[in-house]
Amino acid sequence: GENVEQHPSTLSVQEGDSAVIKCTYSDSASNYFPWYKQELGKRPQLIIDIRSNVGEKKDQRIAVTLNKTAKHFSLHITETQPEDSAVYFCAVEAAGNKLTFGGGTRVLVKP
Amino acid sequence: NAGVTQTPKFQVLKTGQSMTLQCAQDMNHEYMSWYRQDPGMGLRLIHYSVGAGITDQGEVPNGYNVSRSTTEDFPLRLLSAAPSQTSVYFCASSPDSSGNTIYFGEGSWLTVV
Repeated sequence: GENVEQHPSTLSVQEGDSAVIKCTYSDSASNYFPWYKQELGKRPQLIIDIRSNVGEKKDQRIAVTLNKTAKHFSLHITETQPEDSAVYFCAVEAAGNKLTFGGGTRVLVKP
Repeated sequence: NAGVTQTPKFQVLKTGQSMTLQCAQDMNHEYMSWYRQDPGMGLRLIHYSVGAGITDQGEVPNGYNVSRSTTEDFPLRLLSAAPSQTSVYFCASSPDSSGNTIYFGEGSWLTVV
């Protein structure tokens, strides 16, 4: 089955700096790559996603890049704010809408 | 439009007891699934369904049963609860085609003592 590795597991940044989280996956047939933000005690919320026919997607301060050849994709958060503090999960979808999640990155934005 | 609704939100079970986590969605989604999230970890797929009458196993199906008699409902049954099943359970749904946004319920916190 699909194997998804996410790094780093924790990330501490100063407010206003950028944060980058990287995920690698194993199944070259995977075609959908969402990122979720999860606040303590809450459900995961989709923040951005990318499909295999696109290399980069941006939504305000958040961007995702995908390298299908190398089988990795990354989340970039610019101008970080305290409300960006949360756990972020990458996920990879193979056939049939079956998502495999990475282990998560705990992001702390220090004011 | 309530989205994905899970009940109960919190439950404490004794080892060996059985129970059912309820999940309902009102978006007419074909695809529904159950995930569990252990502390400090990502979500793992337990069971999923691509439509009424069709279910299949995910990554960690042992100890759980599901059924899909209607498009709206996808209950998860714990047959004989074990402490290892202490976790947060999330139900999710999405439209039938691949690459669609998956909508999660609010989660059910289950403790087995």
